[in-house]
Amino acid sequence: DIQMTQSPSSLSASVGDRVTITCRASQGINNALAWYQQQPGKAPKLLVFAASRLESGVPSRFSGSGSETDYTLTISSLQPEDFATYYCQQYYNTPPLTFGGGTKVEVK
Amino acid sequence: QVQLVQSGAEVKKPGASVKVSCKASGYTFNTYPLHWVRQAPGQRLEWMGWIHPGFGSTKYSQKFQGRVLITRDTSATIVYMELSGLRSEDTAIYFCVRSGSLLYYIDSWGQGTLVTVSS
Repeated sequence: DIQMTQSPSSLSASVGDRVTITCRASQGINNALAWYQQQPGKAPKLLVFAASRLESGVPSRFSGSGSETDYTLTISSLQPEDFATYYCQQYYNTPPLTFGGGTKVEVK
Repeated sequence: QVQLVQSGAEVKKPGASVKVSCKASGYTFNTYPLHWVRQAPGQRLEWMGWIHPGFGSTKYSQKFQGRVLITRDTSATIVYMELSGLRSEDTAIYFCVRSGSLLYYIDSWGQGTLVTVSS
């Protein structure tokens, strides 16, 4: 199974900050990577698929990049509604679908 | 729009079984795989298995093989997940999710069902 390692596990930031979250796969996944945002008490929501394609309706301040084993999710200017937990997921070699451990973005 | 509506919270004793349902609507039920993903307190999201409603084919995580059963009722567009031999570590929120038919990223999530295992 492909293991997904996310970093950091948490970070503190202020509104307006640029935030970057990293996800590393245990082997190359050919951009088969998705990012999700989860608000407390809610189901996750798809933000990005195919490493860099924004899901319809997702604000353009979110962007994804990367290749091979290393991927990033960037929030260019953090907004109040962006304080949440973010997860990556690979779908290159499935099943199983595997997820990163999550990054909690908290208020500084 | 796509909707996945799950059954309500359950409290079970160790050793018991639980069956969670997921009613799908807003799209052609037979076309997309439906998966079950769980989230235990403080743990990462964990994939349990999937079913292709059109074919009835299933695939399970090795971790849950032998304990989980995913079935569907195509006429009612409902998918079920039954987990047996419950232990305290199975206390989690269980999500029914839909992926693409070829690319298995998750584009729709159910609201989640809390299953609590406690004596």
